[in-house]
Amino acid sequence: AQSVTQLDSQVPVFEEAPVELRCNYSSSVSVYLFWYVQYPNQGLQLLLKYLSGSTLVKGINGFEAEFNKSQTSFHLRKPSVHISDTAEYFCAVSRRGGGSQGNLIFGKGTKLSVKP
Amino acid sequence: GAGVSQSPSNKVTEKGKDVELRCDPISGHTALYWYRQSLGQGLEFLIYFQGNSAPDKSGLPSDRFSAERTGGSVSTLTIQRTQQEDSAVYLCASSRLDPLVGGQKQFFGPGTRLTVL
Repeated sequence: AQSVTQLDSQVPVFEEAPVELRCNYSSSVSVYLFWYVQYPNQGLQLLLKYLSGSTLVKGINGFEAEFNKSQTSFHLRKPSVHISDTAEYFCAVSRRGGGSQGNLIFGKGTKLSVKP
Repeated sequence: GAGVSQSPSNKVTEKGKDVELRCDPISGHTALYWYRQSLGQGLEFLIYFQGNSAPDKSGLPSDRFSAERTGGSVSTLTIQRTQQEDSAVYLCASSRLDPLVGGQKQFFGPGTRLTVL
């Protein structure tokens, strides 16, 4: 079984400050890793994903995440946030492998609140 | 349409009634997923369809929940004898299924907000 832990339920930050949203996972099998974002009153959108290769993954809107296998982490970072980044961010995993069903196991989410 | 659509967007029902939620996936996407987003439980996987079959129903919380998919396209999630704890946003997602790699991006619909009084 897989599980995802997002340690921070809420992260307040000032505009133009850097931010890191933490994600740790547990799994007995290899997994793919994802970050999804949910803007207020909108649906979930994929921010970035790690399948293989370089452990530093760049996504949309200036976000990036680094896969650390030894620490089983996939923290999300942005060097300078904007008001428009205010949203809820979900870390997720799915089982690895061709033809795998790919259902996502989500963390509880982190609400990022960017203040002027 | 260009994205995943769900209907209704909002549903208010009385405890004990049955409800049907509909999902129209992106054309050509063979994989379809239902999730539930609630305050207490966060985002939970409910059921996965590959074509019209559901290889994994393990996320369905009780036998009051069922789902079907027809023509490899539209899916309906049915909740019988609704309870207050069924109140949540029900999300549908679809993706292509890569037979070699997996890890395909899932496209989410806007959700159906279900309120059971």
